[in-house]
Amino acid sequence: AQSVTQLDSHVSVSEGTPVLLRCNYSSSYSPSLFWYVQHPNKGLQLLLKYTSAATLVKGINGFEAEFKKSETSFHLTKPSAHMSDAAEYFCVVSGGSARQLTFGSGTQLTVLP
Amino acid sequence: NAGVTQTPKFRVLKTGQSMTLLCAQDMNHEYMYWYRQDPGMGLRLIHYSVGEGTTAKGEVPDGYNVSRLKKQNFLLGLESAAPSQTSVYFCASSQGYTSNEQFFGPGTRLTVL
Repeated sequence: AQSVTQLDSHVSVSEGTPVLLRCNYSSSYSPSLFWYVQHPNKGLQLLLKYTSAATLVKGINGFEAEFKKSETSFHLTKPSAHMSDAAEYFCVVSGGSARQLTFGSGTQLTVLP
Repeated sequence: NAGVTQTPKFRVLKTGQSMTLLCAQDMNHEYMYWYRQDPGMGLRLIHYSVGEGTTAKGEVPDGYNVSRLKKQNFLLGLESAAPSQTSVYFCASSQGYTSNEQFFGPGTRLTVL
C-alpha cells in the first residue's frame, strides 16, 4: 500500500521569495516519486521525478526536490517565486504491478505581488 | 505527436443517461489509466489497463466500465450516470514496465444533473 500526505493545502509567498511545498510518503516498495503542477483549468504537467538515482532532483522552471528516506519526505522547493508559479501542485508516488499513481490532495500555491 | 487526447472536452448528462469517454494515445504505450479529480482532492484511479484486451479496477471503480480493444484507445463508460459522477476525468498512459512516468490528457469535464 502507498500513500502521500501534502502537509499544506494552501501556501502563499511573495514574488521573489523562496517556495517550500511539503510532502511525506508511505510506500511498501522502493518508491518512485513525482511532483506535478496543474494550472487553472489545465491538465497536469510533470515538474520532476525521483527514481532512486540522485536524491536531489532538479526539475523544470527552477524547481527541485530532495528525497529523504529517513524522513520519508520529498519536499519541493524553488529559490525565488514567480507570478507564473501560481498553481496547484501534487506530490505523487508510484507503485504496484501496474505502476499506479497515488496522488496527494494538492497544495494551492498563491504568489503575491 | 498529439500525445494523449480525450474526447469530448465537456459534457452535460442527466441522471440515468449513459456515455462513453474516449482516450487515445499515439506513443505506443502499453499501460493506460483513467482518473477522476474532485475539488480538494488529488486524482483517484478508476480503472487501468496493462495491455490490449486487459483491464483492472483501481481505487474508485464503481459505476464505471472500461474497454481496451485497441492498444492506442482506452474507453471509459458510464452506464447510468449519477450526480456523484460529476467530476473532471483524466486519461494517462505510460510505457509500462520500462518506465513509470505517466503522460496525461487535457481532461474531460462532466456534469451530471
